[in-house]
Amino acid sequence: DSGVTQTPKHLITATGQRVTLRCSPRSGDLSVYWYQQSLDQGLQFLIQYYNGEERAKGNILERFSAQQFPDLHSELNLSSLELGDSALYFCASSRTSGRPGELFFGEGSRLTVL
Amino acid sequence: DQQVKQNSPSLSVQEGRISILNCDYTNSMFDYFLWYKKYPAEGPTFLISISSIKDKNEDGRFTVFLNKSAKHLSLHIVPSQPGDSAVYFCAANGHNFNKFYFGSGTKLNVKP
Repeated sequence: DSGVTQTPKHLITATGQRVTLRCSPRSGDLSVYWYQQSLDQGLQFLIQYYNGEERAKGNILERFSAQQFPDLHSELNLSSLELGDSALYFCASSRTSGRPGELFFGEGSRLTVL
Repeated sequence: DQQVKQNSPSLSVQEGRISILNCDYTNSMFDYFLWYKKYPAEGPTFLISISSIKDKNEDGRFTVFLNKSAKHLSLHIVPSQPGDSAVYFCAANGHNFNKFYFGSGTKLNVKP
């Protein structure tokens, strides 16, 4: 158990819909990262937050947005969903921002868009 | 732009033999490298890391080698065990980066 909690574990929805994925980082970790893993692909970095502020942005679509709340949990919002958004979405946390020693991953949220 | 590449999608090894997983990177600013292991239906878990000031780091059955001039790192697992069967991701990070770059993973199958 990494200490990172993601909900929901599975989500099935239709094209055009909007979903919210939630992540609770490990106790004491201030940084939250979101990654997308599509079929047979590597982990694509989406976005990072540190103590409530956006720190780094990757290949995140404009239809996607995220935020980190004062209690440090984070939400990833995916809107106007397309078939190609079907993927595993991982949240990871680390103690610091600038030079994380390692990332602790949640079990992922599997999104299926029909 | 894939800055970290794992060119072998899969690898099959007999139990007890050595498993060698390879990873190449393109950005010379990377100075910290990690390997993660991922079982089905689980998130990736940290396995071993290496800083660019070293060329080898060992932890039990796992050893990571770094060749900076070739921009190449490898993970050696000796002896391989069936429980090592998983997908292995390499990742890289550098001083000016707030994020890790991950490779596409290598699926290791260790046959009993």
